[in-house]
Amino acid sequence: EIVVTQSPGTLSLSPGERATLSCRASQSVSSDYLAWYQQKPGQAPRLLIYGASNRATGIPDRFSGSGSGTDFTLTISRLEPEDSAVYYCQQYGTSPRYSFGQGTKLEIK
Amino acid sequence: QVQLQESGPGLVKPSGTLSLTCAVSGDSISSSNWWHWVRQSPGKGLEWIAEIYHSGNTNYNPSLKSRVTISVDKSNNQFSLKLSSVTAADTAVYYCASSSRFRLDYWGQGTLVTVSS
Repeated sequence: EIVVTQSPGTLSLSPGERATLSCRASQSVSSDYLAWYQQKPGQAPRLLIYGASNRATGIPDRFSGSGSGTDFTLTISRLEPEDSAVYYCQQYGTSPRYSFGQGTKLEIK
Repeated sequence: QVQLQESGPGLVKPSGTLSLTCAVSGDSISSSNWWHWVRQSPGKGLEWIAEIYHSGNTNYNPSLKSRVTISVDKSNNQFSLKLSSVTAADTAVYYCASSSRFRLDYWGQGTLVTVSS
C-alpha cells in the first residue's frame, strides 16, 4: 500500500502571498495518478489538479501542480481570501485504488 | 456536467446496515466512468470506500471490504452502497463521486450518517 503524506499540516499566509503545499508518496507514483482537491467547510471536495500538473475545468491559473516520482507540489500564487480551505492530494494505486493524504489546512490571514 | 445526489437514512443503529443511494444525472451510469463512494469522519480526512463500473466490475478498500457491497441500477441511473455491522466509527459524511481516469472528477454534496442507538 502506498502511503501519502502531506506537509505542512497547517499553513497561514496573507493575501497576495504564494502557498507551497507538499505531497510525498511512500513509493514512486506515476504523474498520471496524482491529483489535488480543495475542500471548503461544509462542502464536498473539488478537483483542482489531475495528472500532477493539469488544471481541472474552471480552475484559475493561480493554481499549479508539479512534481514526479515521490514528491509532488501544489502551488497557489497570489493568494485570495477564498483560497482558505483544506487541500488533499490523492494517488491512484493498486490496493486501495485511491488513497488520500491527511490534508493541509490553508488559512488566509 | 455530471450531477450526483446521495440519499438514505441519516441515522443507523449499531450492528445494523447502512444503505445509501446515489442518483446520477447529466450522464449515463453506463458511460465510461467509474462510480465511487468516499467517506469523511467528523473533522477527519477522506477515505475511499469502493468503486463500480456499469459492467458490474468492482474494487473495494481492503480495510472495509468484508462489510461493503456496491451495486449499480442501470434502469434508474443510480448506484448504491451497503455497509454492514456498523459501529460509531462508521459515523461520517458519505460522498458519491465519479471518475474518468485516476481522479474523482465530480462529487455529490454528501450525506451525514450517524451510527447511534
